[in-house]
Amino acid sequence: DIQMTQSPSSLSASIGDRVTITCRASQGISHFLAWYQLKPGKVPKLLIYSASTSQPGVPSRFSASRSGTDFTLTISSLQPEDVATYYCQQYSGAPWTFGQGTKVEVK
Amino acid sequence: EVQLVESGGGLVQPGGSLRLSCAASEFTVSGNYISWVRHLPGKGLEWVSMIYRGDTYYADSVEDRFTISRDSSKNTVHLQMDSLRVEDTAIYYCAGTAENLDRFHWGQGTLVTVSS
Repeated sequence: DIQMTQSPSSLSASIGDRVTITCRASQGISHFLAWYQLKPGKVPKLLIYSASTSQPGVPSRFSASRSGTDFTLTISSLQPEDVATYYCQQYSGAPWTFGQGTKVEVK
Repeated sequence: EVQLVESGGGLVQPGGSLRLSCAASEFTVSGNYISWVRHLPGKGLEWVSMIYRGDTYYADSVEDRFTISRDSSKNTVHLQMDSLRVEDTAIYYCAGTAENLDRFHWGQGTLVTVSS
């Protein structure tokens, strides 16, 4: 199975800060990676798929990139509504594993 | 508009069974990937199972206890959950991914509680 190692597990940042979350795949997954935002009581929201393609309607402050088996989600300017837990998911090969999640809080 | 509607959740005792259903509209279950993903309370997201064409896949944690199947005539996917454990308590989501992996859809989820 492909393991996704996500870091950090949590972070606290100020409004307007740049926030970076990383996922590393245990083997090559090409560009088959998605990023989700999960808020309490809500359905997971797809932000990014195909490693760097933004889902329509997602604010432009969210972006993502890939370097080999390392994937990064960036929030360019943290907003109060971005408080959530973020997950990466690989869909290169079953099981379509998730990272452990990164809880983002505001200082 | 694509809709995935889950049903079948509820309260069950340890060792019991439940069958979840995912009814799809504007999205064909027979030609695309249909997964079940669960959100464990206070924990993360866990991919549970998937069906794509005739192939089925399972997480190790549910292998031999859960069975995914498809009813193409009703455009519905089922997840038969047997030998349920307390640790299976979660919100279960149905997720549809287009065959060319460029469209992703989620249902609203159904709560499964395993407790005596």
